[in-house]
Amino acid sequence: GEDVEQSLFLSVREGDSSVINCTYTDSSSTYLYWYKQEPGAGLQLLTYIFSNMDMKQDQRLTVLLNKKDKHLSLRIADTQTGDSAIYFCAAPSGGYQKVTFGTGTKLQVIP
Amino acid sequence: GAGVSQTPSNKVTEKGKYVELRCDPISGHTALYWYRQSLGQGPEFLIYFQGTGAADDSGLPNDRFFAVRPEGSVSTLKIQRTERGDSAVYLCASSLLAGLAGGEQFFGPGTRLTVL
Repeated sequence: GEDVEQSLFLSVREGDSSVINCTYTDSSSTYLYWYKQEPGAGLQLLTYIFSNMDMKQDQRLTVLLNKKDKHLSLRIADTQTGDSAIYFCAAPSGGYQKVTFGTGTKLQVIP
Repeated sequence: GAGVSQTPSNKVTEKGKYVELRCDPISGHTALYWYRQSLGQGPEFLIYFQGTGAADDSGLPNDRFFAVRPEGSVSTLKIQRTERGDSAVYLCASSLLAGLAGGEQFFGPGTRLTVL
């Protein structure tokens, strides 16, 4: 099955860029996702990337995919205090509907 | 509805008791998913429904866990003979169709289950 790993914690200053990293094991994953979880709120899909892409940009978010190394990263430009949350990398295993999540990276933004 | 709703938001029970957790998906969403999130972990897939049928229940940890979706809308996750290790946040999600190609999964706020 799929195994997804992330670092647990990242602290950045407001206005700096944040880079959250993730590794996965299943090379057949067709999509890879980034989710955001804020305290007391449900999981929110931030962005996703197809496995045949190596980069996707969406406003302040940039996703980089290195399929050879099975490495995914999420860059948040001009990080704001409202970006403080837990970010989960996720990949499908056994089909689109069965998604394996990483342990989450807690992003702390220091004003 | 406006979003996925789950009831109750919190449930405290004693070891050995039976509990039911309810999920109301977004109206018109045919796919429904249950996940379990333990403290400090990411959500763990439990079961997926397409319509009324469980298309994939491979994530259910054992036969104490069961889920139904009799009319293809509301779903109930049932846990028999609860154990302390069942304590977690149970998340429900729905999507218009199956998989990302059919739409993103929208998550509810979860039910926090505590087994004493």
